[in-house]
Amino acid sequence: GAVVSQHPSRVICKSGTSVKIECRSLDFQATTMFWYRQFPKQSLMLMATSNEGSKATYEQGVEKDKFLINHASLTLSTLTVTSAHPEDSSFYICSARDRDNQETQYFGPGTRLLVL
Amino acid sequence: LAKTTQPISMDSYEGQEVNITCSHNNIATNDYITWYQQFPSQGPRFIIQGYKTKVTNEVASLFIPADRKSSTLSLPRVSLSDTAVYYCLVDTNYGQNFVFGPGTRLSVLP
Repeated sequence: GAVVSQHPSRVICKSGTSVKIECRSLDFQATTMFWYRQFPKQSLMLMATSNEGSKATYEQGVEKDKFLINHASLTLSTLTVTSAHPEDSSFYICSARDRDNQETQYFGPGTRLLVL
Repeated sequence: LAKTTQPISMDSYEGQEVNITCSHNNIATNDYITWYQQFPSQGPRFIIQGYKTKVTNEVASLFIPADRKSSTLSLPRVSLSDTAVYYCLVDTNYGQNFVFGPGTRLSVLP
């Protein structure tokens, strides 16, 4: 139980294009999902909190117009990196709280983004 | 914000018991303590979670003293495949009042 998937697992795109990453809770309903970014040899950095049916809450320093988050259902949140630049290249990870067990975050496998 | 402090790295040998301690002095009443394991290029994997005293599952034990200002993850008889980064996270069931610390990089040697 408590499985979270991400798609795609890796993506390469050209500078200036937009990339969408999906995060799904497969066997539970998630009222809250989180998006993280992780650079090599570093810890996870929270980017934003996504609540179903409402606007995402972004951490300080994260541009909401660049990282668009949509949480349209209890099992799906998407992160769109708009006008991607090479410095956006990173490992993006989502997590989800089970609606019935909200003390725990369950993480997806991550998405490796490379912007050329 | 519930911050945590852990040793940056630890070395161990196969078959030994490993204990990783995390300090969380400003833990709040509603906070739970969760430990995760992360391999390179993968998302963190849930290991164990507790609120107080001792919790044990098939892979680890978690010891939490009465004041809850620290917690210790115990991995019995580690193997090479336990080489990973281990994070403790102090979290609650609402909001986003948490932050991931740097984690502990465990190296298990043959």
